Amino acid sequence: SYELTQPSSVSVSPGQTATIACSGDVLARKYARWFQQKPGQAPVLVIYKDSERPSGIPERFSGSSSGTTVTLTISGAQVEDEADYYCYSAADNSWVFGGGTKLTVL
Amino acid sequence: QVQLVESGGGLVKPGGSLRLSCAASGFSFSDYYMKWIRQAPGKGLEWVAYISTSGSTIFYADSVKGRFSISRDYARNSLYLQMNSLRAEDTAVYYCVRGRQYGDYEKEDYWGQGTLVTVSS
Repeated sequence: SYELTQPSSVSVSPGQTATIACSGDVLARKYARWFQQKPGQAPVLVIYKDSERPSGIPERFSGSSSGTTVTLTISGAQVEDEADYYCYSAADNSWVFGGGTKLTVL
Repeated sequence: QVQLVESGGGLVKPGGSLRLSCAASGFSFSDYYMKWIRQAPGKGLEWVAYISTSGSTIFYADSVKGRFSISRDYARNSLYLQMNSLRAEDTAVYYCVRGRQYGDYEKEDYWGQGTLVTVSS
């Protein structure tokens, strides 16, 4: 089975840049997506196709990819960006999530 | 506007069955593949099942294969998940998710609010 590995937590001060990496062999051949989930809410898509941003997602959210690692970057993180972030990718007739990263902004 | 509304969750004993429903509205249901994704209390997200736009292709996570069955009804614009032989580890919020294939990438842009399934004696 495939695995995606991301840090369990990241902390930044407001206005700083937050970076969350996600690694896995499948990322070398499949695009990644990133979801944001706030407490008690359903996840929201913030990045798809490694680096594309859906309409309505602030420009401070960006994604990049290199080899078997994808990275979510939040430039100038805001207090409202505090949430859990999950990377996600297709595999062989299945789909896999990273374990999630709790982003703290304070 | 796009809406996905899950229902059918509740408390069930180990070994029991439950059928989840997801009512879709505000978009062309047959143009999107659908998935069930779950989240155990305090845990991360786990993909459970996938059904293609036509309903002809279905995949399951190994953890539910042989016990769960996904289906869709185009006349009712609804997605279903029949869950049998339920186990304590199936306890989770179950989300209905729509997605679309664009060549070599996918985009899943709407999730329902989820329905809680609790498996306990």
